[in-house]
Amino acid sequence: DTGVSQNPRHKITKRGQNVTFRCDPISEHNRLYWYRQTLGQGPEFLTYFQNEAQLEKSRLLSDRFSAERPKGSFSTLEIQRTEQGDSAMYLCASSKGGQGAPEAFFGQGTRLTVV
Amino acid sequence: DQQVKQNSPSLSVQEGRISILNCDYTNSMFDYFLWYKKYPAEGPTFLISISSIKDKNEDGRFTVFLNKSAKHLSLHIVPSQPGDSAVYFCAVLTGTASKLTFGTGTRLQVTL
Repeated sequence: DTGVSQNPRHKITKRGQNVTFRCDPISEHNRLYWYRQTLGQGPEFLTYFQNEAQLEKSRLLSDRFSAERPKGSFSTLEIQRTEQGDSAMYLCASSKGGQGAPEAFFGQGTRLTVV
Repeated sequence: DQQVKQNSPSLSVQEGRISILNCDYTNSMFDYFLWYKKYPAEGPTFLISISSIKDKNEDGRFTVFLNKSAKHLSLHIVPSQPGDSAVYFCAVLTGTASKLTFGTGTRLQVTL
């Protein structure tokens, strides 16, 4: 399977705990994005990497959120001291960038539930 | 401020008929417009896109129309099939930014 892969698919955690999600993009894609989706809304942009450089972060990304993409391959999104409001679907996407087709391809997401 | 609006939260269409999903946007500087389909508990799946220099793009049963003067985008699905039942999101992308801005989605149900 050469699509975007996200792990885990589901995560239930207690409020105050830290969680980390992983995303493996399509191998030839140098752009990687994290989005968050809550019920009844479209996905909302969180952050973007071009290779290993994090080039943009949304105001939605509080200090408790951190993302990395070491060596420009897989990426991790960590949420520290989780709150109930962090419960959402976290989506990762990748795209080729440059002059190529603009569409981004999404993984199946990680559903986070904070109890 | 909501830059992309999908004013119809749901749509029901009979199998074999045409489904028309609509999307309005506010910024005339958007360069690309895309449609994604989403099934429950899965990530969005890319369907079709259109550049701002075109007014129509077709791919099989899916056609996207762009009316720049009205800042309006529509997706036509002909003929509609039960497997098309999903939530459809329109999204916009600017050339200088690298992110997609999504609408709130329209749930399409194709009935037998």
